Amino acid sequence: GAVVSQHPSWVICKSGTSVKIECRSLDFQATTMFWYRQFPKQSLMLMATSNEGSKATYEQGVEKDKFLINHASLTLSTLTVTSAHPEDSSFYICSARPGRETQYFGPGTRLLVL
Amino acid sequence: GESVGLHLPTLSVQEGDNSIINCAYSNSASDYFIWYKQESGKGPQFIIDIRSNMDKRQGQRVTVLLNKTVKHLSLQIAATQPGDSAVYFCAENMLGSARQLTFGSGTQLTVLP
Repeated sequence: GAVVSQHPSWVICKSGTSVKIECRSLDFQATTMFWYRQFPKQSLMLMATSNEGSKATYEQGVEKDKFLINHASLTLSTLTVTSAHPEDSSFYICSARPGRETQYFGPGTRLLVL
Repeated sequence: GESVGLHLPTLSVQEGDNSIINCAYSNSASDYFIWYKQESGKGPQFIIDIRSNMDKRQGQRVTVLLNKTVKHLSLQIAATQPGDSAVYFCAENMLGSARQLTFGSGTQLTVLP
């Protein structure tokens, strides 16, 4: 149980385009999902907290107009990187939790912006 | 501010030996702790958790020890195997809290043949 999926697993796009990443909780409902960014050999950096039915809460320094988050259902949150640039290339990971304890992570999405 | 940190950024062990990965936390209000394993190119994978009302919890080949007095957490892996090579993160939170986990910086475990 407690499986989180992400799609796509990797994506290459041209600079200036937008990319949408999906995060799904497959066998549980999650009112809260989290989006992280991770650079090589570094820890996870929280970008935003996605709340079902309400606006996401963004961490300081994360542009909400750049990283659009939608949490339309209890099993799906999406992260859209708008007008992507090479510096947005990174590993994006989502997580969700069935209750208020353990967080389960998705497999991650590697984004490469050319 | 509050933080969770790891003592060692890298750890190399011989295959078959036991591994011990350490973690220090500073938030005395934390009462829930998790260890995650992250293999290269993958998302973190839940290994084991422990609540503050326990000092020790065992899983399959893994044991987590919690010392609340010195705010120290450790992960012990018995008979380390090549497949154990990964980055290990500790994380902490307060039970019932809506906020996300606080993660340590991670320890890279390398299993030598």
